[in-house]
Amino acid sequence: EVQLVQSGAEVKKPGESLKISCKASGYSFTNYWIGWVRQMPGKGLEWVGIIYSGDSETRYSPSFQGQVTISVDKSISTAYLQWSSLKASDTAMYYCARLLRYCSGGSCYYFDYWGQGTLVTVSS
Amino acid sequence: QSVLTQPPSASGTPGQRVTISCSGSSSNIGSNPVNWYQHLPGTAPKLLIYSNNQRPSGVPDRFSGSKSGTSASLAISGLQSEDEADYYCAAWDDSLNGVFGGGTKLTVL
Repeated sequence: EVQLVQSGAEVKKPGESLKISCKASGYSFTNYWIGWVRQMPGKGLEWVGIIYSGDSETRYSPSFQGQVTISVDKSISTAYLQWSSLKASDTAMYYCARLLRYCSGGSCYYFDYWGQGTLVTVSS
Repeated sequence: QSVLTQPPSASGTPGQRVTISCSGSSSNIGSNPVNWYQHLPGTAPKLLIYSNNQRPSGVPDRFSGSKSGTSASLAISGLQSEDEADYYCAAWDDSLNGVFGGGTKLTVL
């Protein structure tokens, strides 16, 4: 059974660093992309970025480039999303999800399995 | 401001048919397939439609999708109370990343 289990809720102060995790199981981790999605309070879903677990190729949405870092540790089938200096505006629910390619050519992807979400609260 | 544009809200009564639109551009919807996700509060989003009009197994055939040019639509027929949720369109963008719509909150009256 495919599962993505995320780390627990975090409460941090502005300026602090943070790394949240997403542990995958039930499939060949290095054959898939993993993505991160943000949902700010009362707002919609936003695509943060994706990482290919096999070679760590990473792509960030323009709004998040330079603001966060996505990484993986293949040895423990875990993806990470980290901040070096949190801001109050980083307060949100963050989801990880597995990106499935369903065709042999072209950009045909969808998120098929999701983590339960990690709530990050940044407040002084 | 989301890359894909959706109406913020939609509503209908039980049994009705409702549609939710999603407008993009030539770099996303115009050249790539569209997916739709259903998001209930307190849960992870769920894939509803992929490749414009394909339903994953387990999704009722009350849900259907279509695409024309740079726009897409999600239709829900035989509306039920449990369909009350937020709905998001998504597509790949030629910038080699994905984009979501702003989301549509569906209310079943």
